[in-house]
Amino acid sequence: EIVLTQSPATLSLSPGERATLSCRASQSVSTYLAWYQQKRGQPPRLLIYDASNRATGIPARFSGSGSGTDFTLTINSLEPEDFAVYYCQQRSDWRSFGQGTKLEIK
Amino acid sequence: EVQLVESGGGLVQPGGSLRLSCSASGFAFSQYAMHWIRQAPGKALEYIASVSSDGENTYCTDAVRGRFTISRDNSRNTLDLQMSSLRSDDTAIYYCAKGLGMVAAGTRGYFDQWGQGTLVTVSS
Repeated sequence: EIVLTQSPATLSLSPGERATLSCRASQSVSTYLAWYQQKRGQPPRLLIYDASNRATGIPARFSGSGSGTDFTLTINSLEPEDFAVYYCQQRSDWRSFGQGTKLEIK
Repeated sequence: EVQLVESGGGLVQPGGSLRLSCSASGFAFSQYAMHWIRQAPGKALEYIASVSSDGENTYCTDAVRGRFTISRDNSRNTLDLQMSSLRSDDTAIYYCAKGLGMVAAGTRGYFDQWGQGTLVTVSS
């Protein structure tokens, strides 16, 4: 089973700043990694798939990078609606999620 | 517009059974793999099961294998999850989700559309 470890657990930033979220896999997942955003009381929303491809309708301020075991989700110029919990997910060996990073307003 | 609507959740005693359903509309249901993902209160997402577009291939994680069965009816555009021998740690919101890519595409392993979820509470 591939374990995904996200860091930090909580990230406190202000609107307009850049957010950098990390996801590390216990073994290589190539580029088979996605990122999701979940707001309170809502289902998750797919942001990025295959490490760097934005899903339909996702703003350009969201970008993903990485391969192998280390991945990054970058959110440029944070908007108020971006404060949420973010999860990574791999599809290399079936599927699994990370434990999430909470992005909160500083 | 894609819509996924889960139903069947509720309160069940430990050891009991429950059947969840997900009604799909707004897309070619028979062309996409479908999945169940759950989320315990205040916890992270947990992937639990998948079924191929034609229903022939299914997969369940170790946590639920032997207790949960995923199935689909392409004639009715529905996805089901039969749950038995339920335990307190099965308490969660259960989401159905659509695979991103069609049929045999690798991206079918990502989840691009989600329902609002149905709450299952296992308690005596």
